[in-house]
Formats: sequence, structure tokens, C-alpha cells
Amino acid sequence: GQNIDQPTEMTATEGAIVQINCTYQTSGFNGLFWYQQHAGEAPTFLSYNVLDGLEEKGRFSSFLSRSKGYSYLLLKELQMKDSASYLCAVNAGNNRKLIWGLGTSLAVNP
Amino acid sequence: DGGITQSPKYLFRKEGQNVTLSCEQNLNHDAMYWYRQDPGQGLRLIYYSQIVNDFQKGDIAEGYSVSREKKESFPLTVTSAQKNPTAFYLCASSIIVGVGNQPQHFGDGTRLSIL
Repeated sequence: GQNIDQPTEMTATEGAIVQINCTYQTSGFNGLFWYQQHAGEAPTFLSYNVLDGLEEKGRFSSFLSRSKGYSYLLLKELQMKDSASYLCAVNAGNNRKLIWGLGTSLAVNP
Repeated sequence: DGGITQSPKYLFRKEGQNVTLSCEQNLNHDAMYWYRQDPGQGLRLIYYSQIVNDFQKGDIAEGYSVSREKKESFPLTVTSAQKNPTAFYLCASSIIVGVGNQPQHFGDGTRLSIL
């Protein structure tokens, strides 16, 4: 079967760094996406990885290891507005459908 | 500004009634998607379309129907056969390039509740 695992909840302190992990077992792999979703709102695209390594975008970075079926999203200099759910999604085939994780709810405390 | 517009934002359905959720995009995207999100659950794909006049069932298509008569529009009908329709419905679209490495962009969603 196809499966994506993420921690359900995480807590961090304002100004700190947090790493949100995502592991996947899929029949194929054409890329991994990270999205941010604030409560009651739609997901917004954060990052995309298809090759191994780190992609950096301002305060957010995303890492991929295809051999380990593993990715993480790194958030630096945390702000209160970063409190949200972070969704990991994998494109596992050539039909452009995504397999979605259940999301990690991040709470940033003062 | 380009984007995806979903309407209405809130919708109430009576038992036995069909309701249609609107999704319009002016991003010139080829692919469009409908998802359902329930509390504590991930996004579940209902239907998707990669070209006008063609669409495919997703993982939970039963009780739903769609049409894709125009590139810009992908309405979703929740039929009376859908016994548990209360959820947050999200429409998304994306460019089609290669095997699908383009992100999906989402509308603001429609919250459907049963009266």
C-alpha cells in the first residue's frame, strides 16, 4: 500500500528551530511537497523536493532522502504565525495524483 | 490577480437534496481537483480532471459527481447518495508538466453542513 507518516502534534517556542519529519512508502516517486494550512483555511504550497538534498527558502528549508523514504521541513526563527498544520504529500505515479499525510499540527508558544 | 474561487463559503444541505459547489480558476491550469477534509484527517481526493470533458474518480467518488465543460470550471455536485457530506471541500488546480512536479494551488474552500 501507499503510506505517509508524520507526527500528529509538535510544540516549539518562538524564535526557536523545529524539524517536522515525514516518511513515505509508495510504489513510485515523482516528488514530495510540503504545504502549510492554518486552521479553517486552505493549504498553501511551501516547497517541493524531487532530488536528494536540502532546498532552502527563507526561514523554511526542506530535505529529501529518496533511499530512506524520508523528508523533513525545517522552520527557523519561529514566529507565532507559524502555528499551523504542515502537510506532506507525495506524487507517487505519473497520473499527477498526490498521496497526502494527515498533517503535523505545530503550536508555537511565546 | 489570478486565483481559484470557490463558492459559496458556507453551504447547508437538507436531507435528500443535491447541492453543487462551484470552483472557477483563471490561472490557465489544465488540471483541477476536488478534495474533502474531515477533522483530524488528511485530504482525500474525490475527483480530478486533466483536460476538458474528461475526469477520473479519486479515492472517495461515491455520492459525488463532477463536470468539466470549460477549462476554467470544475463544479462538484454532492448528491443525496452521499450519506455523510458534512466536511470542508477544497478545490485545487495545477499546471501539467512532465510527470506532475507542479504544485497544486487551492481555493478557500466550502464548508458543507447538513440541516
